[in-house]
Amino acid sequence: DQQVKQNSPSLSVQEGRISILNCDYTNSMFDYFLWYKKYPAEGPTFLISISSIKDKNEDGRFTVFLNKSAKHLSLHIVPSQPGDSAVYFCAAKWTSNTGKLIFGQGTTLQVKP
Amino acid sequence: EPEVTQTPSHQVTQMGQEVILRCVPISNHLYFYWYRQILGQKVEFLVSFYNNEISEKSEIFDDQFSVERPDGSNFTLKIRSTKLEDSAMYFCASNYRGNQETQYFGPGTRLLVL
Repeated sequence: DQQVKQNSPSLSVQEGRISILNCDYTNSMFDYFLWYKKYPAEGPTFLISISSIKDKNEDGRFTVFLNKSAKHLSLHIVPSQPGDSAVYFCAAKWTSNTGKLIFGQGTTLQVKP
Repeated sequence: EPEVTQTPSHQVTQMGQEVILRCVPISNHLYFYWYRQILGQKVEFLVSFYNNEISEKSEIFDDQFSVERPDGSNFTLKIRSTKLEDSAMYFCASNYRGNQETQYFGPGTRLLVL
């Protein structure tokens, strides 16, 4: 089951630069997308989301872009900080279901000072 | 800030034994979920629970699994007869409005089946 895919297992960027994490999906029924951040020994923490009726959502340093025709979304972190180092999960759902989230495999982001 | 808590943080058990993983969701939440993450794999949905019944379950959630809200605060996941492949991190999540809002996750229970 590969409905949500994060093809880059890891990403390393310099502090202050932009981090771009990518996510692809295959199920056209998805109409809501989320990014979660996870530190070791903790549960996933919600970061930012976007509805399929939008193509961009911004919250401080975090922006999510959605390209529905390409079934692709990305998370931009500007500027990146060492505290952003974590595993980032892309997740998707469709509003007619019970709320279950379908997760990607995660991308480990390392921000170097 | 309220948070979801889970106990124990780690559990080691022998194959064939029953385990109960406990979660205390955020107090006013009404929708509850269990997910698991096998080491190196993605987080997978197991079950959703609302109004004292299962709303949806995945194909992973077979007859060996059950969930219960035994009182007003706890939400438990029971595995009746554990298998080696049940070794994983189990996450509980909750929210107030179900599909209309994001889910808040607990820190997880790491289960190791020997």
